[in-house]
Amino acid sequence: GNSVTQMEGPVTLSEEAFLTINCTYTATGYPSLFWYVQYPGEGLQLLLKATKADDKGSNKGFEATYRKETTSFHLEKGSVQVSDSVVYFCALSSFTNFGNEKLTFGTGTRLTIIP
Amino acid sequence: NAGVTQTPKFQVLKTGQSMTLQCAQDMNHEYMSWYRQDPGMGLRLIHYSVGAGITDQGEVPNGYNVSRSTTEDFPLRLLSAAPSQTSVYFCASSYSASGVAEAFFGQGTRLTVV
Repeated sequence: GNSVTQMEGPVTLSEEAFLTINCTYTATGYPSLFWYVQYPGEGLQLLLKATKADDKGSNKGFEATYRKETTSFHLEKGSVQVSDSVVYFCALSSFTNFGNEKLTFGTGTRLTIIP
Repeated sequence: NAGVTQTPKFQVLKTGQSMTLQCAQDMNHEYMSWYRQDPGMGLRLIHYSVGAGITDQGEVPNGYNVSRSTTEDFPLRLLSAAPSQTSVYFCASSYSASGVAEAFFGQGTRLTVV
């Protein structure tokens, strides 16, 4: 079946450091890929997405490139801030019995940025 | 615009009790779903609906029932609560059947079964 494996946390970095959170996937076909964030006490919010191979999703200084050859969608940011201290989820879409798509999530990576 | 609203935010149940978690969205989205979030497990799909009157099971449906009588509402019912159902529950909706559509999540319901 489909699955998403992402870097285990927690991850702790100093402010302005470079961030990489690894995400790899297993899926049939050509899924769309997503990064969601979760703020404390809140539901998930979409950070960025990519719908086909070699697409780059970007938002708020974060980037991720859909690499079909390595089945990866690693999240990167050049200079992290304290406000980036949240939980990050990698996800992929797959088809349901009704032909629509559903999301499969990774386990989440908690990021803490130290001033 | 309220988005996706879940109630209650917190609930404690005794083993064997039943309850309904409410979810409502005001964005006229056809696709709605329920997830549970457990430590180290990410979010797992319980049930989903592609429109009024149409529901299907997700990854972990046992112990849960759903129905969809209107576009706006998608309640999740626990028939006989068990400690294994202690979790944080999230409802989500999206406007399209396609996965490229953004999923909007509620704030979650933290359920404890004792």
